[in-house]
Amino acid sequence: EIGLTQSPGTLSLSSGERATLSCRASQNIDISHIAWYQQKPGQAPRLLVYGASRRATGIPDRFSGSGSGTDFTLTISSLEPEDFAVYYCQHHSIFGPGTKVDIK
Amino acid sequence: VQLVQSGGGLVKPGRSLRLSCEASGYGFSFDHHTMHWVRQAPGKGLEWVAGISWNSGSIGYADSVRGRFTISRDNVKGSLYLQMNSLRDEDMAVYYCVKALYEYGDYVGDVFHIWGQGTVVTVSS
Repeated sequence: EIGLTQSPGTLSLSSGERATLSCRASQNIDISHIAWYQQKPGQAPRLLVYGASRRATGIPDRFSGSGSGTDFTLTISSLEPEDFAVYYCQHHSIFGPGTKVDIK
Repeated sequence: VQLVQSGGGLVKPGRSLRLSCEASGYGFSFDHHTMHWVRQAPGKGLEWVAGISWNSGSIGYADSVRGRFTISRDNVKGSLYLQMNSLRDEDMAVYYCVKALYEYGDYVGDVFHIWGQGTVVTVSS
């Protein structure tokens, strides 16, 4: 079974800064099966990006996904106040442990 | 378009509980999509629990629940169910029903698109 690790565990940034979140798979995976989710406290997760780089409907273009093989990245180009949350990557039935983006 | 969940609550270890999830909204196309249950223990990350294809022909479970939980659906009612038997302390979590992004797939390799609001299951004596 393929495992996913995410780094860093916590990312402390200010509004307007760029956030770079990493997801690493234990073996090469098909990019069409990598997705990213955002979860705010007390809320259900929300799909952000799928197929490694395709934004879900309604997701602002400051969110972008990239990567291939075993290394994938979610980038938030300029953090808005509503972007402070936990972000999960996912492949098939496996979720990564999450990266918390909090306010510096 | 949304998924409305019900059926959570407090249950003793070893007992059973049934969760329900109903699709609402024009154009939801419930009967075209795989559906899943995903859970989140208090303060923890996300864990996939079970998935069922659009026609119930393909069903899968996490190892942690196989043999105790049963996923099912009723496409006429636009509803998804999770029958949970022999509940354990470690089953305590918020349970989400989720609609997959793609149509007519099986439960493997899905993207989790539309999420229900979550229902809390508390297992305690």
